Amino acid sequence: GQQVMQIPQYQHVQEGEDFTTYCNSSTTLSNIQWYKQRPGGHPVFLIQLVKSGEVKKQKRLTFQFGEAKKNSSLHITATQTTDVGTYFCAGRGTSGSRLTFGEGTQLTVNP
Amino acid sequence: DAGVIQSPRHEVTEMGQEVTLRCKPISGHNSLFWYRQTMMRGLELLIYFNNNVPIDDSGMPEDRFSAKMPNASFSTLKIQPSEPRDSAVYFCASSFGGAGNTIYFGEGSWLTVV
Repeated sequence: GQQVMQIPQYQHVQEGEDFTTYCNSSTTLSNIQWYKQRPGGHPVFLIQLVKSGEVKKQKRLTFQFGEAKKNSSLHITATQTTDVGTYFCAGRGTSGSRLTFGEGTQLTVNP
Repeated sequence: DAGVIQSPRHEVTEMGQEVTLRCKPISGHNSLFWYRQTMMRGLELLIYFNNNVPIDDSGMPEDRFSAKMPNASFSTLKIQPSEPRDSAVYFCASSFGGAGNTIYFGEGSWLTVV
C-alpha cells in the first residue's frame, strides 16, 4: 500500500532560524496536503498542492511539490515561537483513494 | 459554521469498562474518519465511512473496537472492554466529496484507561 514518510521526526531550532521538513511517497501522488497541529490541539489544514513542481507561499511558509509528484517540502523562514507544533504531510494516490498521513515533524522553537 | 464536534472531550475510565466516543461531522460532509493518536504510534486511521457506509476498517486494532454511523450527522466509536493501552487521543474528522479531499478534524477525545 501507499506509504508516506516524513523527515526529520523532530527539529529544534532557535527563534529566527529556518526550518524544513520533507515528505516522500512510495507512489506517485495526485495531490499532497499539509497540516499543522499545535501542542494539545488538533491537525488543521494548511494547504494543498496538485501540480508537478508547484510552489505555494503563505507568509513565511513555502510549500513545494516535486516534479515527479512523489515528494514535497515545507520550509519556514525565520521561525517564530508561534510556529511550534507538529507538521504533517498527507498524500492522496490515485483518484478516489484516501489520504495517507506521514508521521509528522515536531518543531520546537527556542526563544 | 460549526466544525466537527466530538464528545466527551476528556474521559478517564477503569480497565474493562465500555467507552463510547461520539462525533457529529460538519453538515454536508459525506466522509467521516476516526483517527487515534499516541506518542508511540503517531496518527493512525482506524476507520472511515463514505455516505454512512464503512469503507476501510483495516486500522481497527481488534474486535474490542467497533464504529457505527447510523446517519449522516452522527457516528460512534466504541471500545469494549477498554484496556490501558487504549489510552490515546481519538480524533473524528470529516471531508466533503471523498476521502482524498481536505480533512477537518474535531478537537479530539482524550481517553485515559486506568
